[in-house]
Amino acid sequence: EVQLVESGGGLVQPGRSLRLSCTASGFNFGDYAMSWFRQAPGKGLEWVGFIRGKAYGGTTEYAASVKGRFTISRDDPKSMAYLQMNSLKTEDTAVYYCTRAFEGDYWGQGTLVTVSS
Amino acid sequence: QSALTQPASVSGSPGQSITISCTGTSSDVGTYNLVSWYQQYPGKAPKLMIYEGSKRPSGVSNRFSGSKSGNTASLTISGLQAEDEADYYCCSYAGSGTFYVFGTGTKVTVL
Repeated sequence: EVQLVESGGGLVQPGRSLRLSCTASGFNFGDYAMSWFRQAPGKGLEWVGFIRGKAYGGTTEYAASVKGRFTISRDDPKSMAYLQMNSLKTEDTAVYYCTRAFEGDYWGQGTLVTVSS
Repeated sequence: QSALTQPASVSGSPGQSITISCTGTSSDVGTYNLVSWYQQYPGKAPKLMIYEGSKRPSGVSNRFSGSKSGNTASLTISGLQAEDEADYYCCSYAGSGTFYVFGTGTKVTVL
């Protein structure tokens, strides 16, 4: 059974950093791209970025709203993906979801990040 | 890149069919057959219902179908059931640079 579990969310002040983790199980992690999405309270879904699988160089792409501030990485032996978020803004407040593949065929339960002073 | 346009709400009676539209531009929906649809219950994570325009993941009911015409993609739910009451979002690939753009979301109500 495919499972994705996010962790690391919480309350953080504007301008500070936070790292989210995604622990995967139930599939060959290294064979898949991993994506991050977010959803602000009461709002719609937004794509954050993805990291390609090792076979495709493990390269990353980001939404314009987070490019230069967020970094996605992966540790294939540990079956984990990460979202490093720097220079956080109040508008980054959202539930962050880790998903498998580009289109998100499996989703984690999400972790809430609140950016507030 | 603007969000894709979806109706705010769609409703139908049990057993009926409903269609949710997702209107984009020639830069996204119109060019790429890479539209996905997600179902989301309140307080829950989204679930992929349709990918690559019309393909259903394993386990998704065949009552859900996707299609596209021009710059508009559509999700049709046939034989509407109470459990289909949820929010639905479309998402389209928009080329390198923008990559993915979401729809505004549609609340489906089963009367």
